[in-house]
Amino acid sequence: DTAVSQTPKYLVTQMGNDKSIKCEQNLGHDTMYWYKQDSKKFLKIMFSYNNKELIINETVPNRFSPKSPDKAHLNLHINSLELGDSAVYFCASSQDQYGTEAFFGQGTRLTVV
Amino acid sequence: GNSVTQMEGPVTLSEEAFLTINCTYTATGYPSLFWYVQYPGEGLQLLLKATKADDKGSNKGFEATYRKETTSFHLEKGSVQVSDSAVYFCAWRGSARQLTFGSGTQLTVLP
Repeated sequence: DTAVSQTPKYLVTQMGNDKSIKCEQNLGHDTMYWYKQDSKKFLKIMFSYNNKELIINETVPNRFSPKSPDKAHLNLHINSLELGDSAVYFCASSQDQYGTEAFFGQGTRLTVV
Repeated sequence: GNSVTQMEGPVTLSEEAFLTINCTYTATGYPSLFWYVQYPGEGLQLLLKATKADDKGSNKGFEATYRKETTSFHLEKGSVQVSDSAVYFCAWRGSARQLTFGSGTQLTVLP
């Protein structure tokens, strides 16, 4: 069984489009995250939700909007995509917001052309 | 501020060589420390962890010891294999509600 799954795995789209990435975890965790990994492999936290409540919101353009319909799902919607949004986006979850390790999805490679 | 600094790569070794990837942290208090591994085309996987000073995490032949006196958590393996080729990330979690990652170290093991 896949613990943290995100879709799609690859996403190629044109500048200016709006797209969503979905994430689901079946671990029963309370906390979920979105990370962005750039071309140099650097990982940066974007958002975190705990029990559907936003607890971390880093300096991310407001074109990025996370949505958590329930604690098992955390989706990422991106408006007006720009070339600089091209990256790999990882969803992750942890037992709670003060828990130890996080479990990661396989990543979504977003390419904006 | 709180941060993690790890050895810059890329690191290239021959099979069966000894591996060390350095990691030091700057943090108040006593964070939990982790090593994650990212194989090509995959997400991050937890490799090992240590939650208090002097703890040693180990997995798949890799080891790291939480050294409070040197604020370090260096990753070691006595004999690397080609299948160990991946990107390795040091990370810590303190009172903040997130994992903070180092910049990653690309390891390539040649046969």
